[in-house]
Amino acid sequence: DVKVTQSSRYLVKRTGEKVFLECVQDMDHENMFWYRQDPGLGLRLIYFSYDVKMKEKGDIPEGYSVSREKKERFSLILESASTNQTSMYLCASSLWGGQNTGELFFGEGSRLTVL
Amino acid sequence: AQRVTQPEKLLSVFKGAPVELKCNYSYSGSPELFWYVQYSRQRLQLLLRHISRESIKGFTADLNKGETSFHLKKPFAQEEDSAMYYCALGGSQGNLIFGKGTKLSVKP
Repeated sequence: DVKVTQSSRYLVKRTGEKVFLECVQDMDHENMFWYRQDPGLGLRLIYFSYDVKMKEKGDIPEGYSVSREKKERFSLILESASTNQTSMYLCASSLWGGQNTGELFFGEGSRLTVL
Repeated sequence: AQRVTQPEKLLSVFKGAPVELKCNYSYSGSPELFWYVQYSRQRLQLLLRHISRESIKGFTADLNKGETSFHLKKPFAQEEDSAMYYCALGGSQGNLIFGKGTKLSVKP
């Protein structure tokens, strides 16, 4: 059973703080993704990665960065948190190509509140 | 531009009634389309994909290239179907492009 684990379910941070959101998957998936989920806006892709040390910008990368030093771990970093980054953050992983293309396995989410 | 449109934010039906959640897409190539579901307090998960042409939990979805649609249907809704449903399009970079979602509420 594929497991994507996000280290923090709930975080409360102050404006200007640096925030780290960690995600680990245990199925040796090549692809990893960070989305944010907001009511009425759906899921929007922040960054994704096809391989270790590789990263690609998604639709809303501003204010975020990522790190993928190991295949199983993909971190989302908010260098200086702002109130408009209050959201639910979802990490996901998937295999590269093949018939499983398109099946993303999601973590439970990290709900971040920035005060 | 690659885009997914789900016109309904909320769909409310009674138990036993038919359900249709609408999804339209914009994509220049041959699309790969999916429906994802998120039940209350659970993680987002794949419900079905068009390439499989399968029925999951009584739901089906047919790709209509002429109308660029991939509507999700179920003939008789159950209370346990209440959830958030997202239509998704396979992007050119291996990512998924999601619609804004439709919240389905099935009343007893």
